[in-house]
Amino acid sequence: DQQVKQNSPSLSVQEGRISILNCDYTNSMFDYFLWYKKYPAEGPTFLISISSIKDKNEDGRFTVFLNKSAKHLSLHIVPSQPGDSAVYFCAAKGWGAQKLVFGQGTRLTINP
Amino acid sequence: KAGVTQTPRYLIKTRGQQVTLSCSPISGHRSVSWYQQTPGQGLQFLFEYFSETQRNKGNFPGRFSGRQFSNSRSEMNVSTLELGDSALYLCASSWGTGETGELFFGEGSRLTVL
Repeated sequence: DQQVKQNSPSLSVQEGRISILNCDYTNSMFDYFLWYKKYPAEGPTFLISISSIKDKNEDGRFTVFLNKSAKHLSLHIVPSQPGDSAVYFCAAKGWGAQKLVFGQGTRLTINP
Repeated sequence: KAGVTQTPRYLIKTRGQQVTLSCSPISGHRSVSWYQQTPGQGLQFLFEYFSETQRNKGNFPGRFSGRQFSNSRSEMNVSTLELGDSALYLCASSWGTGETGELFFGEGSRLTVL
């Protein structure tokens, strides 16, 4: 039972354009959502998060949008840079829980 | 500030053997979690320890076990290895309050089972 799904295994975007990564979830008890970025041979690093009481959180070039009614969140990267090429994981957690439920990941490639 | 350290980084085992992986969390962090990453499956939660106690456990067979020491360092063990256990095993640490869910990951231990 995949509670967090990233339906696009890969995404290719031109440098300078907007990258949009999508994530769907099924568990309405999730109250916190996070995005992690992973480079090859490195561990995932935290990128940005959003609480279920918000619908948008912005940090520099990165913005996460949450649509609770659709159980959908997205990560926008504007403008996309070559260094953004990595695998992006969406994750979710329930209130007070330490366990994160991850999606399968989306490999983002930024083309010069 | 030193990050999460995992050893060994790479190892090769044969079916039926057992393996122990080690994780040293960021200083001050009391929670250590373990995740398994395989192609197409994302990161699957194995277990989480806080102050030497297992607080959560994922849906893995009993061959997978772990422990945490008084200095917060953690080990995980996999016995009777199977080919399907080949994966990247990631350790993550946090303060353990569970509020934001932000975890700090190590670089992982890549296990290959032949």
